Amino acid sequence: DAGVIQSPRHEVTEMGQEVTLRCKPISGHNSLFWYRQTMMRGLELLIYFNNNVPIDDSGMPEDRFSAKMPNASFSTLKIQPSEPRDSAVYFCASSFPGSNQPQHFGDGTRLSIL
Amino acid sequence: AQTVTQSQPEMSVQEAETVTLSCTYDTSESDYYLFWYKQPPSRQMILVIRQEAYKQQNATENRFSVNFQKAAKSFSLKISDSQLGDAAMYFCAYRRGGAQKLVFGQGTRLTINP
Repeated sequence: DAGVIQSPRHEVTEMGQEVTLRCKPISGHNSLFWYRQTMMRGLELLIYFNNNVPIDDSGMPEDRFSAKMPNASFSTLKIQPSEPRDSAVYFCASSFPGSNQPQHFGDGTRLSIL
Repeated sequence: AQTVTQSQPEMSVQEAETVTLSCTYDTSESDYYLFWYKQPPSRQMILVIRQEAYKQQNATENRFSVNFQKAAKSFSLKISDSQLGDAAMYFCAYRRGGAQKLVFGQGTRLTINP
């Protein structure tokens, strides 16, 4: 079975550019999560969706960040304009609904903003 | 707010021996779930084991087991017969019952010495 698929695996871009990270959740999972991992702050939840609807975006750092889930099999996390402090590994995870359901993570996107 | 603390930034163990990673958490909830995730150098986040707070029996998965002490709010991970492939960052995580947000600890880097 395919796991959570993220693209790109690595992204290097100059500050000010728009960055789009992509995620395909596991088929049948209707909860999707975006996390950011940095050395300073560890793993932080940015936003999550249930049935394509954003439920909690309180972790989104600022208006430069936006996330969409147009359908059950695709989500994007966009940063516009990007800044060097956005450099991190961004993970997407998905799960069946319910707090007892484990979240399955993708391989992450390592983002470097120069 | 719930917090998760991993007091050991780094641990090392000799191959084939047993190692225990510590995790404590702070919550006023009685219904919650606890997880251990492994992150090898490949960066992938892999679920190792999970524990429901309402279960008194400690979860086990092959060489991995937990010592769940609810009153002490402690959730340690024991790895028996350590193997070189166990080398990774290990993250403890908490999720409140009825919620979907995972709160992660800062992680413990485990080194296996051959």
